Amino acid sequence: SQQGEEDPQALSIQEGENATMNCSYKTSINNLQWYRQNSGRGLVHLILIRSNEREKHSGRLRVTLDTSKKSSSLLITASRAADTASYFCATDALAGGGADGLTFGKGTHLIIQP
Amino acid sequence: DGGITQSPKYLFRKEGQNVTLSCEQNLNHDAMYWYRQDPGQGLRLIYYSQIVNDFQKGDIAEGYSVSREKKESFPLTVTSAQKNPTAFYLCASSIGTNLFSLHFGNGTRLTVT
Repeated sequence: SQQGEEDPQALSIQEGENATMNCSYKTSINNLQWYRQNSGRGLVHLILIRSNEREKHSGRLRVTLDTSKKSSSLLITASRAADTASYFCATDALAGGGADGLTFGKGTHLIIQP
Repeated sequence: DGGITQSPKYLFRKEGQNVTLSCEQNLNHDAMYWYRQDPGQGLRLIYYSQIVNDFQKGDIAEGYSVSREKKESFPLTVTSAQKNPTAFYLCASSIGTNLFSLHFGNGTRLTVT
């Protein structure tokens, strides 16, 4: 079963603007991760936030996690055309300990207009 | 450079034929995974392996089989029993079973007609 659900499904913004994507999940987790996928390629890991963390930064990325609401957001600041991709959140369920793989949402397709 | 290699990139097969997708990693990772991705969908877990000679079914294992005879290799066979085999298949690995992040290959797009 799919754990995460991203919102919106698609997002189109102008270059230089900020892009925010949201993810909701159902069960308790150890950590939540965000991945990026360029068209026809594999996924690339962007950032991991643990269940006891509330916010994390990596370059132009900012991730928040609210375990009480079972939700996370990914903010990309000062977007660039090269940020055009699909973004997925992924969780590992607390019960499984991560050994049985990550559960992915359906992704947000982000388009940056030059 | 370390990474995961999936081959071939594109694969075409006739219905009723079994087909094997290759996945090789030189990251010295213990755990390996196979995911299936359909258009506009997230990834669904087919099989995973935490150590050599051991593997577990994921959410959609029916119609698929795997082997893990070597640490570096985790081939996936799509059998004729898989009802809708046309999809994008992604192999991934992680450093251990305390999962931190997955490293993905660039996928194999399988088309069955």
